[in-house]
Amino acid sequence: GQQVMQIPQYQHVQEGEDFTTYCNSSTTLSNIQWYKQRPGGHPVFLIQLVKSGEVKKQKRLTFQFGEAKKNSSLHITATQTTDVGTYFCARNQAGTALIFGKGTTLSVSS
Amino acid sequence: GAGVSQTPSNKVTEKGKYVELRCDPISGHTALYWYRQSLGQGPEFLIYFQGTGAADDSGLPNDRFFAVRPEGSVSTLKIQRTERGDSAVYLCASSPKTGTPSYNEQFFGPGTRLTVL
Repeated sequence: GQQVMQIPQYQHVQEGEDFTTYCNSSTTLSNIQWYKQRPGGHPVFLIQLVKSGEVKKQKRLTFQFGEAKKNSSLHITATQTTDVGTYFCARNQAGTALIFGKGTTLSVSS
Repeated sequence: GAGVSQTPSNKVTEKGKYVELRCDPISGHTALYWYRQSLGQGPEFLIYFQGTGAADDSGLPNDRFFAVRPEGSVSTLKIQRTERGDSAVYLCASSPKTGTPSYNEQFFGPGTRLTVL
């Protein structure tokens, strides 16, 4: 199946700066999920977006699903050291298995 | 409640050997998934079970890989004649049955790190 492409691959920020990662697909997505994986840890579900143009917020995290349902973004406001990790977007394949992007690894210096 | 558990946490084996990796999903979760993750990559889908049957095994790389879930709970991923390229973290995930809240969310276990020497 089609992969989802994520950019950037790596991002380093100073604590307090904002951070955005982008997820793009060449085909229309039925939904997009976001996961966070801390260093040495396993992926942890953050959110699922389903509707065109959907925007969801979780504290300092804002998730968007594009109008054409071909792209998505995750924006973190005022990053903290606890935000360190790799953020993956993933699409459902036939509503079951997840097809992950390669992730964006965020590092934060205080 | 308890999350997804996987054993062993680490497995070192020699090229050509057979290994079994075990996954205990969250109690009551009907869907179970196996992924493998290489360094710097996202998890790569291997196989998906709905209940006891493999609903989608399209991600298994070749016939050296096999997985079972005989009673619809615990699953075992079996790798025959291991190769160095099989070295990766093998992740298991489970999700609730369709129609329940969070049915689309996958809950991952800590993974088994397999090293083939």
